[in-house]
Amino acid sequence: QVQLKESGPGLVQPSRTLSLTCTVSGFSLTSYGVSWVRQPPGKGLEWIAAIWSGGSTDYNSALKSRLSISRDTSKSQVLLKMNSLQTEDTAMYFCARSSVYYGSDYWGQGVMVTVSS
Amino acid sequence: NIVMTQSPKSMSISVGDRVTMNCKASQNVYNNIAWYQQKPGKSPKLLIYYASNRYTGVPDRFTGSGSGTDFTLTINSVQAEDAAFYYCQRIYNSPYTFGAGTKLELK
Repeated sequence: QVQLKESGPGLVQPSRTLSLTCTVSGFSLTSYGVSWVRQPPGKGLEWIAAIWSGGSTDYNSALKSRLSISRDTSKSQVLLKMNSLQTEDTAMYFCARSSVYYGSDYWGQGVMVTVSS
Repeated sequence: NIVMTQSPKSMSISVGDRVTMNCKASQNVYNNIAWYQQKPGKSPKLLIYYASNRYTGVPDRFTGSGSGTDFTLTINSVQAEDAAFYYCQRIYNSPYTFGAGTKLELK
């Protein structure tokens, strides 16, 4: 069955770079896209970035200068890097299987990232 | 950049009631809207795509409507398990912006 699992450091120091991995199973990254979405504690959802089945990428324009999304199809992994972290980047980070035609239908459980010294 | 505005921010209703919540886009998004349900501590679940298409397995009490800039999610005969946050999202074109959400509470 379709599964996505996020992994990464729980705590990151301010100004450092965050690296998150989304490991998927049950589908191919060459057939579906994957999006990253975050949710600060007690707040709403924010779309961050997406990588599509053909390898093209989209970014939230407010975060674009700090973001990089890539994939390793041989490992069924999608990688998200965000640099210059600040405390306001503290959030639950989700990855989700995505299509431009219907949105995101399968989600990981999320990984909590805290930015603190 | 496109802004998705949801209203109301919260609502409190009784089991069996009918509820309607709104999502307004700052520009024409045609019918390119999805709706999600999120319960506390859980990941979002896709309910509706292309404004009015129910995703696989979603109960038929959930109905989406609208086009252009104004969209509505209606829940007929609300059940206790429908207490959650509901989010709209623009799809098909970047940026895939979410609305701020509507909190549905049961009395």
